[in-house]
Amino acid sequence: AQSVAQPEDQVNVAEGNPLTVKCTYSVSGNPYLFWYVQYPNRGLQFLLKYITGDNLVKGSYGFEAEFNKSQTSFHLKKPSALVSDSALYFCAVRGLNTGGFKTIFGAGTRLFVKA
Amino acid sequence: GAGVSQTPSNKVTEKGKYVELRCDPISGHTALYWYRQSLGQGPEFLIYFQGTGAADDSGLPNDRFFAVRPEGSVSTLKIQRTERGDSAVYLCASSLRASGRESSYNEQFFGPGTRLTVL
Repeated sequence: AQSVAQPEDQVNVAEGNPLTVKCTYSVSGNPYLFWYVQYPNRGLQFLLKYITGDNLVKGSYGFEAEFNKSQTSFHLKKPSALVSDSALYFCAVRGLNTGGFKTIFGAGTRLFVKA
Repeated sequence: GAGVSQTPSNKVTEKGKYVELRCDPISGHTALYWYRQSLGQGPEFLIYFQGTGAADDSGLPNDRFFAVRPEGSVSTLKIQRTERGDSAVYLCASSLRASGRESSYNEQFFGPGTRLTVL
């Protein structure tokens, strides 16, 4: 069965510092990995995805994520955090051998960026 | 352009009642998904439509839940005999492709959700 783990409920970082939000996954076959962000009173928004190719993928708002197959991880990163990055972040996975279309989301990590 | 819209934004009902939640996907998006999000949790997959047909309904929790998409656009999630445990935010998402392997990696565009409260 496929699953996603976000080990941190909350991440605190000072503005201007680098941030990392962790995600590990379990899936049969090749994973398709995603990061979404949820701002208060707004719908989930797509940030970035990994399908194949370069392990480092770049997405919206200066975010990037690194796919590490051996560690089954897909951590979200940003070199310099902004207060406006404060939101709820979800990692998600889809696997080819899981019926194809079901996307499994992690429980989410709340990011607080302090000025 | 217009995004995914969901109505109503909030729905309060009594235990045992029937409710319908509506989703209007982005025009031209053939794939449509329903999720349920409880407080402190990530979205939980319910059902996926490829055009008019439900390609994967394995996430529906029981036979009280049903969804339709008769013309391949608007979808309605129907819940019969609601229970307090059904209280959650119900999210709808759409994406461009619906068939074939490539659909597996097209990002989903989410609506703002319908908050359902069952008293």
